[in-house]
Amino acid sequence: GQQLNQSPQSMFIQEGEDVSMNCTSSSIFNTWLWYKQDPGEGPVLLIALYKAGELTSNGRLTAQFGITRKDSFLNISASIPSDVGIYFCAGQGARGSYKLIFGSGTRLLVRP
Amino acid sequence: GAGVSQSPSNKVTEKGKDVELRCDPISGHTALYWYRQSLGQGLEFLIYFQGNSAPDKSGLPSDRFSAERTGGSVSTLTIQRTQQEDSAVYLCASSWLAGGLAKNIQYFGAGTRLSVL
Repeated sequence: GQQLNQSPQSMFIQEGEDVSMNCTSSSIFNTWLWYKQDPGEGPVLLIALYKAGELTSNGRLTAQFGITRKDSFLNISASIPSDVGIYFCAGQGARGSYKLIFGSGTRLLVRP
Repeated sequence: GAGVSQSPSNKVTEKGKDVELRCDPISGHTALYWYRQSLGQGLEFLIYFQGNSAPDKSGLPSDRFSAERTGGSVSTLTIQRTQQEDSAVYLCASSWLAGGLAKNIQYFGAGTRLSVL
């Protein structure tokens, strides 16, 4: 089945630093999504990408849909303590398939 | 309600017992999804409902797992004869299905943490 490889698994950075994480897949996705999950909560959507090559920003967050449709990255600029959490990429595949395939997550810790 | 609501938030049960997990989707959302999240892992798709029917139940791990949705709203995930490996957080999501995949944004509840002793 479809699988997503997400890296890095965890990051421990200083407040103010930029962060980058990415996902790769062995198969093509039509949509890439990035979610953030806080402890005890469900994932919350950060950015949605619908077209190959698309680059989208949401405040300090920037994400890109890879041109091959098999990868995506998320950048966070000037990190702050509230950025702490687990970030998941998710892909949506073939037309008519609505399920999301999730990466294993990147745990981000920010040192004030 | 304003968001996806799941109950109970925590459930502890003994091996072999049956459990029911409930999901109230966002009002008006036509699609509903169940996912499972094991400790330190990403979410694993279980089943998807469009209205009251389930076009894709390919992620259900075994025949001990079943789900239903009534009135195009509330859904119940039932696990029969629970096993210790069923311990996980069970997350529900809902979405509009409006004219194509591009608008299928899934909004998640906080989940039910199931512990099987």
